[in-house]
Amino acid sequence: DVKVTQSSRYLVKRTGEKVFLECVQDMDHENMFWYRQDPGLGLRLIYFSYDVKMKEKGDIPEGYSVSREKKERFSLILESASTNQTSMYLCASSFGRVHTDTQYFGPGTRLTVL
Amino acid sequence: AQSVTQLDSHVSVSEGTPVLLRCNYSSSYSPSLFWYVQHPNKGLQLLLKYTSAATLVKGINGFEAEFKKSETSFHLTKPSAHMSDAAEYFCVVSAPGYSSASKIIFGSGTRLSIRP
Repeated sequence: DVKVTQSSRYLVKRTGEKVFLECVQDMDHENMFWYRQDPGLGLRLIYFSYDVKMKEKGDIPEGYSVSREKKERFSLILESASTNQTSMYLCASSFGRVHTDTQYFGPGTRLTVL
Repeated sequence: AQSVTQLDSHVSVSEGTPVLLRCNYSSSYSPSLFWYVQHPNKGLQLLLKYTSAATLVKGINGFEAEFKKSETSFHLTKPSAHMSDAAEYFCVVSAPGYSSASKIIFGSGTRLSIRP
């Protein structure tokens, strides 16, 4: 079974802190995604990576950056956390064709910024 | 342009009765369509997907969905609800032919409650 793990289930940070969220997948998938999930808004794509060191902005990249130095690991960085970044963050991976292949999701990190 | 609309934010049914979760989409291209389920405090899991093959798609746990191009719909159904079906369900549309992942659009979700 594909396994996608996220470094923390719950995280509490203060405004202005630099925050790292890490995601690891164990199935050699090319594609990795970071989403933000807010009630009534569904999932919104923050960043997408289709290969090591390759990234693409999603719909809401402002205030975020990403890093993919190894194929299995995709990190989301909040450069200076703000209260409006309090949310559930979901990581996903998929094998090849972005638009037809199944995405496999991690359990999520619930981030609270005080 | 692409969009997806889940017509009900919350659906409540009795155990053993049919489930219908409605999804309408808009796409300039022949889309791929997905239903994912999210149980409390868990990540999303694929229920089923349509990628231009058979229009009636069967998924896990007895769910199925029918792609109706003329109605631009992809409604999710199950003949008999079980307590374990209580979860949030997301309809997703994506546009083949693009390299950008930003053409994958998630609906806002439908919360399914099951009454004993």
